[in-house]
Amino acid sequence: ETGVTQTPRHLVMGMTNKKSLKCEQHLGHNAMYWYKQSAKKPLELMFVYSLEERVENNSVPSRFSPECPNSSHLFLHLHTLQPEDSALYLCASSQGVGEMNTEAFFGQGTRLTVV
Amino acid sequence: AQSVTQLGSHVSVSEGALVLLRCNYSSSVPPYLFWYVQYPNQGLQLLLKYTSAATLVKGINGFEAEFKKSETSFHLTKPSAHMSDAAEYFCAVSVPGNDMRFGAGTRLTVKP
Repeated sequence: ETGVTQTPRHLVMGMTNKKSLKCEQHLGHNAMYWYKQSAKKPLELMFVYSLEERVENNSVPSRFSPECPNSSHLFLHLHTLQPEDSALYLCASSQGVGEMNTEAFFGQGTRLTVV
Repeated sequence: AQSVTQLGSHVSVSEGALVLLRCNYSSSVPPYLFWYVQYPNQGLQLLLKYTSAATLVKGINGFEAEFKKSETSFHLTKPSAHMSDAAEYFCAVSVPGNDMRFGAGTRLTVKP
């Protein structure tokens, strides 16, 4: 148990569907992150939230829409995705953004396939 | 901005052999450094971290890493590889006021 739970673990969706990924952390952390992990590519940071406010958005297409209603929950809303968006989406949390000596704790990821 | 470079996207060793996974960092201030392991279809799990105390850091599963400022390196080693060590390994760097940056990863294969 890593303390960060992601649901669903697997998701297959059509290009016209709308779906959401959910992440919940039970560690009392103040920062949460979405990463995209594609085959043969480095881990890509998508969004960073600190105390429920977005602090970084790395030029992610608008078809990905994050939501952080409180410090324990993070969502990634998906709509009109493309096949190249198929990847493992990882959620992580940490004590705070920019607090150096604290590591990120990761969920097990959601394996997304866009057909 | 800080960054890390992992040399070698794929490393293959025999069971019982030394494991050496290379990581070099770039940072304008003293960094904190991390190694993570990822098993198939799982999230990343912390192996060890360097936080400016001892330069030789011991982690879980018999892994250790040494911080060498003169070489800007933080290589991961294990004296004797086990089949269960087969996974992807990520080096990461963190500096004050910034989020964590990950390397591209090194896939470790262990041959019987």
